[in-house]
Amino acid sequence: GESVGLHLPTLSVQEGDNSIINCAYSNSASDYFIWYKQESGKGPQFIIDIRSNMDKRQGQRVTVLLNKTVKHLSLQIAATQPGDSAVYFCAENGGNNRKLIWGLGTSLAVNP
Amino acid sequence: NAGVMQNPRHLVRRRGQEARLRCSPMKGHSHVYWYRQLPEEGLKFMVYLQKENIIDESGMPKERFSAEFPKEGPSILRIQQVVRGDSAAYFCASSPIANSNQPQHFGDGTRLSIL
Repeated sequence: GESVGLHLPTLSVQEGDNSIINCAYSNSASDYFIWYKQESGKGPQFIIDIRSNMDKRQGQRVTVLLNKTVKHLSLQIAATQPGDSAVYFCAENGGNNRKLIWGLGTSLAVNP
Repeated sequence: NAGVMQNPRHLVRRRGQEARLRCSPMKGHSHVYWYRQLPEEGLKFMVYLQKENIIDESGMPKERFSAEFPKEGPSILRIQQVVRGDSAAYFCASSPIANSNQPQHFGDGTRLSIL
């Protein structure tokens, strides 16, 4: 499944499928990007980050792709599990280290 | 290996009262950030502090809100004369150094409710 996150959409996938969550960032000066996962009642949990001198970075079951030309970021989750159900946020640094600028988030629902 | 600790987890105040939210950063972290989150929205930056210094408070309302990070003890976000619109989740994050390439680590927040 795939989603563009501008209004807190919901992406619903079957367990075991791959998920793609998209994010359009706003600031051309941003040179560092982070994906966070937030479960209900908890704080954001770091998933993976990427610097602007890269276009792809892989972690365990997750891959982040960065397209600076169109200011687009995506998070791919392989073999999605029920524990992956959460709201996913992309964040950019706006070119400095003082604050993160957050997107609205995408809610991922994994069906068993 | 304790993470960022925030307390209280839930805080209820009546209009006009004061709210104090506390944040203890991760061990070894000397940079603290406060964010505010409304339901179904992303986090909004409020203030960035280092020990005894406010570095960037561009996201914090000029009135009623203040923040500190003393030499000893937790960082405090203080809201005076609270109004209903202050109801939100307030998150604190910390990082070890002021580096663009270091992720901020978050606490589980304080949910502030104004009656």
